[in-house]
Formats: sequence, C-alpha cells, structure tokens
Amino acid sequence: NAGVTQTPKFQVLKTGQSMTLQCAQDMNHEYMSWYRQDPGMGLRLIHYSVGAGITDQGEVPNGYNVSRSTTEDFPLRLLSAAPSQTSVYFCASSRSTGELFFGEGSRLTVL
Amino acid sequence: AQTVTQSQPEMSVQEAETVTLSCTYDTSENNYYLFWYKQPPSRQMILVIRQEAYKQQNATENRFSVNFQKAAKSFSLKISDSQLGDTAMYFCASTDYNTDKLIFGTGTRLQVFP
Repeated sequence: NAGVTQTPKFQVLKTGQSMTLQCAQDMNHEYMSWYRQDPGMGLRLIHYSVGAGITDQGEVPNGYNVSRSTTEDFPLRLLSAAPSQTSVYFCASSRSTGELFFGEGSRLTVL
Repeated sequence: AQTVTQSQPEMSVQEAETVTLSCTYDTSENNYYLFWYKQPPSRQMILVIRQEAYKQQNATENRFSVNFQKAAKSFSLKISDSQLGDTAMYFCASTDYNTDKLIFGTGTRLQVFP
C-alpha cells in the first residue's frame, strides 16, 4: 500500500530557481491538497483539488501553481523560489469522509 | 471562513497521568467533521480521532477521547494513561461536509515525562 507518495523528500534551492514537488496517490481519492508547515503556524492550505481538471486556492496560494490532469497526480510548482518559501510541504488526499491521508512531507530550503 | 484555535502551544504530563488539549473552532456550517492529528518527531501525520458534528456522543479511541461541545464550538482531546510514545505535536482540524477542505490549528506540543 503506497498511499500518498511525495518526492523529493529534501531539496535545497537558490532564490529565483524553479522546481516541482511531485505528489501521487493510489487510493482513487478525488480530493487532494497541499499544505505547508511552519513553526508556530501549524499547517496552512496552499491549493486543493476536488477532482481531475479542478483546482482552487487555499489560505496561502501566492508563489505556487498546481494542476490536476489525472486523479492520481497533483504536482506543486514553485516558479521563482523565495526564502519565505522555506518550509515543510505536505501533500494529502481524502475520501468524502474528510479524513486526510498524508504523504511523508518534503523539506524545502531556499537560500 | 473556518478557523481553528489551539491556545496551548506547549503542554507536559507525567507518564500514566491524564492530559487534556484544548481546541475551539468557528464555522458557519451545520454539518462538519472535527479531527485530532498527531505528528511525532518522524514528521508523519497520524489521525488520532474523528468526530462528526451531527453525532452528540463523544468519540473514543482507546486512551483517546474527545469532549465535543457543539454550542460552545469546543473540541478538546483527553489522553488517559499517557505514554512516552504520546510525545508529539497535536493538531486540531475541522472541515465541512461539502468541501473536504481541512483547516488546522497551530498545534500543541505535548511532552510526556517518565
């Protein structure tokens, strides 16, 4: 049971570089989301998707893009990384009961 | 908009004792879910317990139980017979039935001492 798989687990970027955090789930969940976790701020919702072809903004969407071309995949793109985007990122998926299934997290450092 | 507030940044408890973590929330929805998630040092997010708002009975999972006060919009977590393995960050979260959009509180760091 793979569940939710995130890659990479660690990444160091320089300011202005771009990168994509990959997320895949094998549970056929319609709902997927991306969160960032920062000390003292809990988990904040970046973007979410309720199904293939549908995405929407969460609490902190600026600086991030997403797409959902398939049910399984929900990549998060940083077009021009900034030090403020240094964080731990979590991808999650859920069935209609609202319970989220999380990936293991990706630690991103922007220098 | 939904909001979730955890007013205790840190708590500590001695092994085998009982501890209660507080959470309040605000939502305009009548039907919603409430959750407590645990995040140990491994960083993995683990579901502890879930409560559906329409159910008046408080949810229980082994040593973990909740005190759900819908009118007061309060959802506290009680951990009985605390164990060293309970040391973790605990997050309260809420979502409404329609969106599955889960909103988290800022977390409570729980330390269990021997």
